[in-house]
Amino acid sequence: DAMVIQNPRYQVTQFGKPVTLSCSQTLNHNVMYWYQQKSSQAPKLLFHYYDKDFNNEADTPDNFQSRRPNTSFCFLDIRSPGLGDAAMYLCATSRPPNEQFFGPGTRLTVL
Amino acid sequence: QKEVEQNSGPLSVPEGAIASLNCTYSDRGSQSFFWYRQYSGKSPELIMFIYSNGDKEDGRFTAQLNKASQYVSLLIRDSQPSDSATYLCAVSGGGADGLTFGKGTHLIIQP
Repeated sequence: DAMVIQNPRYQVTQFGKPVTLSCSQTLNHNVMYWYQQKSSQAPKLLFHYYDKDFNNEADTPDNFQSRRPNTSFCFLDIRSPGLGDAAMYLCATSRPPNEQFFGPGTRLTVL
Repeated sequence: QKEVEQNSGPLSVPEGAIASLNCTYSDRGSQSFFWYRQYSGKSPELIMFIYSNGDKEDGRFTAQLNKASQYVSLLIRDSQPSDSATYLCAVSGGGADGLTFGKGTHLIIQP
């Protein structure tokens, strides 16, 4: 089945230790998004790629970076995780006219 | 700044009744409107989307949009215990824009 896959599902890291989260899709969608959702809060858009064009949200901290080496894969890099970065990280893809489909998420714990 | 407002609930509805969920948004330029269902610890699941004023029905779900009032609603008919979840309203400016989410309404269907 076509889908959005995120790995790992659970990630534990130490304060300040870089971490990379992975997202892949078999839907062949042009656009991929990363959202951050903290407990009991709304998902918040961090950035998105339209093909290889990167679009950063104005209030996304510099600590968060992303890479999209090809259509199928997108990575979220957190360079120096802080305790406040503990959250569910959601990857999504969209098909016109902007129906977005989410992967299962990666829950990040920072110790 | 784009804002999406929802009553956080909990909204308690008897099984078999109609559940009514509401959402208002601040950006008059919003073009696309979405309802997602999110179970605890899971990622959002797209239920309905609507782009034009009026009603859109899909099975037990009806989405309603009033752009003049900047108001979106979701009706769930014949509510089932499995409908118990948090319902997120999301809006987009169109194209490949990311979604702006409300904080969600926690719905409880009482058997």
